[in-house]
Amino acid sequence: NAGVTQTPKFQVLKTGQSMTLQCAQDMNHEYMSWYRQDPGMGLRLIHYSVGAGITDQGEVPNGYNVSRSTTEDFPLRLLSAAPSQTSVYFCASTKGETQYFGPGTRLLVL
Amino acid sequence: GENVEQHPSTLSVQEGDSAVIKCTYSDSASNYFPWYKQELGKGPQLIIDIRSNVGEKKDQRIAVTLNKTAKHFSLHITETQPEDSAVYFCAALLGGYQKVTFGIGTKLQVIP
Repeated sequence: NAGVTQTPKFQVLKTGQSMTLQCAQDMNHEYMSWYRQDPGMGLRLIHYSVGAGITDQGEVPNGYNVSRSTTEDFPLRLLSAAPSQTSVYFCASTKGETQYFGPGTRLLVL
Repeated sequence: GENVEQHPSTLSVQEGDSAVIKCTYSDSASNYFPWYKQELGKGPQLIIDIRSNVGEKKDQRIAVTLNKTAKHFSLHITETQPEDSAVYFCAALLGGYQKVTFGIGTKLQVIP
């Protein structure tokens, strides 16, 4: 099993540009989530999904959209990037009480 | 909402010594407390957890204690090794990962 994979590893955007952060898992987990990690603030939940076709907002959803068309994939979309969205983004897949994180995407918005 | 405070933010110990990281939480309804280890350039990895109906849990060199009355829980690493060097995060959950709050992290350095 590859576990949780994320692409790209690193991305530079200009303010106003859009992009999609990809996340995939091969463990057949229903629950998936997106976090952002900022210095001094730990991990904060952006959006989560309890299964295909179902998504909901977390603590910091503004500026981000998600969709869940399949169990495997959970992409995160930035429609109009802002410097405040410079961060490291982690996707996670959860089974029971165990949460598996991907390797992260480092995003820099200029 | 829930608030989780984690101390210290950095910790240096000599190889073989013990390390203790402490977290406090504000919502007495929180019922699950995992600890994650994050190595440089990687995602966090669950290393140990504890439920609110348990006071202590051990797994080889790591242990977690929970004091529900005081609303704090701690990670204990004994006989530290250089490979224990990483950032450690605590978290508190209220029912599930939909309601999770993470601490800010502790950077542990084990000096050989």
